[in-house]
Amino acid sequence: ETGVTQSPTHLIKTRGQQVTLRCSSQSGHNTVSWYQQALGQGPQFIFQYYREEENGRGNFPPRFSGLQFPNYSSELNVNALELDDSALYLCASSLRSGRNTGELFFGEGSRLTVL
Amino acid sequence: GDSVTQMEGPVTLSEEAFLTINCTYTATGYPSLFWYVQYPGEGLQLLLKATKADDKGSNKGFEATYRKETTSFHLEKGSVQVSDSAVYFCALTSTGKLIFGQGTTLQVKP
Repeated sequence: ETGVTQSPTHLIKTRGQQVTLRCSSQSGHNTVSWYQQALGQGPQFIFQYYREEENGRGNFPPRFSGLQFPNYSSELNVNALELDDSALYLCASSLRSGRNTGELFFGEGSRLTVL
Repeated sequence: GDSVTQMEGPVTLSEEAFLTINCTYTATGYPSLFWYVQYPGEGLQLLLKATKADDKGSNKGFEATYRKETTSFHLEKGSVQVSDSAVYFCALTSTGKLIFGQGTTLQVKP
C-alpha cells in the first residue's frame, strides 16, 4: 500500500509569483484535502476534493485553487504569493464512505518559503 | 463555529512520568474527536480517535475519553518514553474537514 506523497518537499518563491504543489493519494482513497500549517500552529483547512469537484473550502482567498485528477491525485495552486503564505502545506487523503469519521492520512508536506 | 483548544506547551517530562494534555472543544452536533502526532521531520499521524460520547480511544499506551458533558478529550499516558517526544494535535470533525488545536509540544528527557 502506497502512502500519501507530496512534491516538492521544499521550495522558495518570491512575492507575486505562483506555485503548484502536488499530491498523490494513498491507494484506494478517493478524497483529498489540503491544509496550511504555519510555524508553531495547527493545520488550517484549505479545501477538499471528492470526485474531481471541490467539496468544502476553508477561509482562504480565491488565489488558492486546486484540482483533483481521475486517478485521485491533486494539485494546490497559489497565485500572487504573499509573505504570509510561507508555511508547510499538507495533503491528506481519505476514503469517503458513509459517515465520515475524519480519519485522514497525511503526507510529509511541502514547505514553502516566500521571500 | 467549531473550535479546539489545547493546553499550551511545551510540556517537559522525565522518562516514565505520567502525561496529560488537555483538550476541550466547541462544536454543534456530534463530532468525532482525534489526536494526531507529528514526530520531528515527519508528517501527521493519527494516534487515536473516538466517534461518540464515552468512547475511549487508545493506541501505543495513549488513551483519551470522549466526554460530552465537559466537551473534553484529554490525552493521557501512564509512562512516557523519550521516543514520545513530538507535537500532539487534538482535532475534531463533524463535516468531513478536520479542525485542529494549536498543538502541544512534548519533550521527554531521559
